[in-house]
Amino acid sequence: QQPVQSPQAVILREGEDAVINCSSSKALYSVHWYRQKHGEAPVFLMILLKGGEQKGHEKISASFNEKKQQSSLYLTASQLSYSGTYFCGPPEGQAGTALIFGKGTTLSVSS
Amino acid sequence: GAVVSQHPSRVICKSGTSVKIECRSLDFQATTMFWYRQFPKQSLMLMATSNEGSKATYEQGVEKDKFLINHASLTLSTLTVTSAHPEDSSFYICSARLAGAQETQYFGPGTRLLVL
Repeated sequence: QQPVQSPQAVILREGEDAVINCSSSKALYSVHWYRQKHGEAPVFLMILLKGGEQKGHEKISASFNEKKQQSSLYLTASQLSYSGTYFCGPPEGQAGTALIFGKGTTLSVSS
Repeated sequence: GAVVSQHPSRVICKSGTSVKIECRSLDFQATTMFWYRQFPKQSLMLMATSNEGSKATYEQGVEKDKFLINHASLTLSTLTVTSAHPEDSSFYICSARLAGAQETQYFGPGTRLLVL
């Protein structure tokens, strides 16, 4: 089952902030976040392994609430380069190791 | 970071032919590789998990006989789309798992398949 991401799309001006949420109906033990630009492969942003963990990557950070089965990605002071589609993915699949991605959140940053 | 390559990057073929896509981990060994398919403006859908030296594990709804996966070495997995049809046209992306505490997956650049 895919995790659910919200919102589906976000439109920002440079310097504005955004939050992307990811929730699962199943227990989450870790969450991976990726960004994909049009026509390219997804690029790894970060992985959160523990409940309550927060990690940062430049001005992009994320939190993971294991109890609520949710993760949120925070983009602060957005830059043009942040545009793309963001996917969250907990490991799952038949083998239990692959990432099952949500439908993605498309972020468009304009100047 | 770890690099994963795919070949070819783009392929056009006639309906009924077979197409092989290679996925290589260039600077690390990957005991596990994954194959995804992505249709326009949609998410990446997992097709199968490929383990070196053993049979691939396919997701529900993915035909094993149509999408043949071979993981012959620790750096190479191949996906063969047999008897391709126009509805198989898609963006096929592989990823390789970097073993370790974080088990990060690195994605290849993808292969765009167009079946005429």
